[in-house]
Amino acid sequence: DADVTQTPRNRITKTGKRIMLECSQTKGHDRMYWYRQDPGLGLRLIYYSFDVKDINKGEISDGYSVSRQAQAKFSLSLESAIPNQTALYFCATSDSGKDVNYGYTFGSGTRLTVV
Amino acid sequence: DAKTTQPNSMESNEEEPVHLPCNHSTISGTDYIHWYRQLPSQGPEYVIHGLTSNVNNRMASLAIAEDRKSSTLILHRATLRDAAVYYCIFIRRGDMRFGAGTRLTVKP
Repeated sequence: DADVTQTPRNRITKTGKRIMLECSQTKGHDRMYWYRQDPGLGLRLIYYSFDVKDINKGEISDGYSVSRQAQAKFSLSLESAIPNQTALYFCATSDSGKDVNYGYTFGSGTRLTVV
Repeated sequence: DAKTTQPNSMESNEEEPVHLPCNHSTISGTDYIHWYRQLPSQGPEYVIHGLTSNVNNRMASLAIAEDRKSSTLILHRATLRDAAVYYCIFIRRGDMRFGAGTRLTVKP
């Protein structure tokens, strides 16, 4: 099993619908992150969480919300999906105090299409 | 701002060395330099990191300038499987911001 699992892998949804992307990890890491990637571009940080009670906005949080249900689970919600939220979404984890040395672990991504 | 600058693309021949440059003029003394790569249809994967000294691991080497305002990722013998987008990043206050990276093409 993968260390960082994202579900679903692919999703097509309609404009205005609420959708949730889920991420779970078995690394035991305390920090979790959500990024989005648009074609030909690098990843942009949406939200990050340093522990269950510590959630922070990233570069592009408008239109998104998150929930850290447990140390191992971090979900991303689009309250009312719009077409320009069509992108590839990645979840990542890291271990505080060690991330500068061991980096982040990424999931395989969720491809979301809003029609 | 935690920003890095990399060339958009580079090409290499198979089995030749590749030097991927990165400028990070706003880096502070405690920021580690990380390199990730992203293969097609996959999430980014860690390659190497360093603070001040040059670093080697099984995947690559990292050469860091004395003033730390630039670094170079070195792939000693490029293979077709090394074709990917390479990102140079530094982690600040616990979060990691990506630039557009360098797309490396490896020709057989």
